[in-house]
Amino acid sequence: DAGITQSPRHKVTETGTPVTLRCHQTENHRYMYWYRQDPGHGLRLIHYSYGVKDTDKGEVSDGYSVSRSKTEDFLLTLESATSSQTSVYFCAISWDSFGEAFFGQGTRLTVV
Amino acid sequence: EDQVTQSPEALRLQEGESSSLNCSYTVSGLRGLFWYRQDPGKGPEFLFTLYSAGEEKEKERLKATLTKKESFLHITAPKPEDSATYLCAVQKTTTPGSSNTGKLIFGQGTTLQVKP
Repeated sequence: DAGITQSPRHKVTETGTPVTLRCHQTENHRYMYWYRQDPGHGLRLIHYSYGVKDTDKGEVSDGYSVSRSKTEDFLLTLESATSSQTSVYFCAISWDSFGEAFFGQGTRLTVV
Repeated sequence: EDQVTQSPEALRLQEGESSSLNCSYTVSGLRGLFWYRQDPGKGPEFLFTLYSAGEEKEKERLKATLTKKESFLHITAPKPEDSATYLCAVQKTTTPGSSNTGKLIFGQGTTLQVKP
């Protein structure tokens, strides 16, 4: 595996609570991404980062925020979790903007 | 609208029975097409990148090909360990004045089961 660690791997949380997922990389890749994977929808981009403190929205960004204060860490925050955010979340990294992306093992989040 | 469609959704093969998975795409400009393999409970694992029509890439029993409208992942004499979900994704070309984010547009995948 590329040096990508997601934490936690599993989480159950209550509706309305804030949740933060962490992605940590040891590859010094510039680009980092958060995707969610849902049956019937495939993988969809939530937010991405193209450098420290440089982030932008993906196609399903509502209800999510991100931060990247160090090259190696990219945090995804659900500001107030809803049941529709129950999903599997994947972090990905890439060295540049046109090469392949490498994925972490995923975080399974359940909002009850 | 940008779209990536994979077919079939599911495929069952006997060990040694060769077949192909299809990925058709509609994007305003293709920069690259990527194939990934995903095992249950794991993240997608990179297999191939194709950049231009006519290009082919091979890895063990897998061969990926690309045309202007679709890509095929050919599986020759598959083994049970090839059972997985295979994902196709495209990356678009940049437009003037914008930066390329590297983001991928994924299809929904083909779940392959190879029986011994």
